[in-house]
Amino acid sequence: KQEVTQIPAALSVPEGENLVLNCSFTDSAIYNLQWFRQDPGKGLTSLLLIQSSQREQTSGRLNASLDKSSGRSTLYIAASQPGDSATYLCAVRRNRDDKIIFGKGTRLHILP
Amino acid sequence: NAGVTQTPKFRVLKTGQSMTLLCAQDMNHEYMYWYRQDPGMGLRLIHYSVGEGTTAKGEVPDGYNVSRLKKQNFLLGLESAAPSQTSVYFCASNRDRRILLTSTDTQYFGPGTRLTVL
Repeated sequence: KQEVTQIPAALSVPEGENLVLNCSFTDSAIYNLQWFRQDPGKGLTSLLLIQSSQREQTSGRLNASLDKSSGRSTLYIAASQPGDSATYLCAVRRNRDDKIIFGKGTRLHILP
Repeated sequence: NAGVTQTPKFRVLKTGQSMTLLCAQDMNHEYMYWYRQDPGMGLRLIHYSVGEGTTAKGEVPDGYNVSRLKKQNFLLGLESAAPSQTSVYFCASNRDRRILLTSTDTQYFGPGTRLTVL
C-alpha cells in the first residue's frame, strides 16, 4: 500500500529565508510526483510535476527534486515571501492503477 | 476554458437525504477523480474514472456512488447522507498518460464543494 508522508506538518520561517519541504513515499513504483499549493478555503493549484524518469523540475523560485529509489522528494523555496504562506501537498501517481495518493501537507507560514 | 467546475459550492443536508455533486471539465481529459478533504486527514480518494463509462473505487468509497456517462462529467452521489460525510469534496482531472507522455499531464482541481450533514 502506498503511503505518502510530509514532514514537517507545519513550519514558520522569517521572510527572505530559503526553505525545504519534505515528502516521502513507501512504494517506488510511481509514474510521477506532483507538488500542489492550497490556500485556505480554496482548491489545489499545481506547482511542479516530476515524471519518474526525471530528477528535478524548476519554476521560478521553486525547485522540486525526486529520488525515486529512496522514496523521497523535496520542494525548495528560495527567498521566501509572505505570499508563499499556504499548505503545500505532494501526491504520487501509482504505476499499476493510476491512483493518486496525497500526503497530509505542510502548513507554511512566512513571517513578514 | 473554464477548467474544472463543481456544482454546488455549498450544501447542507439532513441525515438520510440524498444528493448528487456534479463535476465538469472542458479539457477533454480522460481521467477524473473525486476526493474528500478533512482536517488532519489530507485528501482521500473516493472514486475515480479512467474514461467514459468506467469507474473504480478509491481509498474511501463506502457510502458513495459515481457515474461517468459523458466524458466531460463525473457525478458523485450520496444515497443516504450521514454526519460522517461532512467534508469538503474536490473533483480533479488529468490526461491519460498512455496517450500523451508529457510533463504537462498535471492534475487540475475544481474549487471544491463544502457539504454539511446534520
